[in-house]
Amino acid sequence: EAGVAQSPRYKIIEKRQSVAFWCNPISGHATLYWYQQILGQGPKLLIQFQNNGVVDDSQLPKDRFSAERLKGVDSTLKIQPAKLEDSAVYLCASSLGRNTEAFFGQGTRLTVV
Amino acid sequence: GQNIDQPTEMTATEGAIVQINCTYQTSGFNGLFWYQQHAGEAPTFLSYNVLDGLEEKGRFSSFLSRSKGYSYLLLKELQMKDSASYLCAVLNTGGFKTIFGAGTRLFVKA
Repeated sequence: EAGVAQSPRYKIIEKRQSVAFWCNPISGHATLYWYQQILGQGPKLLIQFQNNGVVDDSQLPKDRFSAERLKGVDSTLKIQPAKLEDSAVYLCASSLGRNTEAFFGQGTRLTVV
Repeated sequence: GQNIDQPTEMTATEGAIVQINCTYQTSGFNGLFWYQQHAGEAPTFLSYNVLDGLEEKGRFSSFLSRSKGYSYLLLKELQMKDSASYLCAVLNTGGFKTIFGAGTRLFVKA
């Protein structure tokens, strides 16, 4: 079974630039998550989708972050404009349902300079 | 609000047993996950507890006490490859949102 695919693996941008991350979840998984993980901390939930609807985005900085899930499958997370404090690993995960184990992608390591 | 506490770091010896504790406070509780995360890698699922008691899975066991807001992960016969961060994550009832603790970095020494 293919796992969660994310791209790119690494990205370096200057502050105030824009960046987008892509995620392809495991086939059949209804729930998709985007987490931000700063070095030395646990993952912080940014947004959670159930199929193509948003379940929770309470910790998403909506003035600069946006996310969508196309046709309930792939998802993109965008940052515009980026700040230095956005430097982190962005993890995408998916699960069959909201109360089952999550499978994580390898993440995108973003460095904002 | 929600709060999840874990020790920041622990060190143990190869072949020994180590217990990693997690305490939580949440407005609604629907289960607790443990994940393992090696440096530079993604978290991988270890266990899920929703009822009180001990769940055993090979060298790893996880315990939950809902009344105490407490869980622990028990690792037996430690191996060097067990050096990793162990993340406690609580699934709340509001929207079934999974919130992670900061993680415990475990160092296994020879």
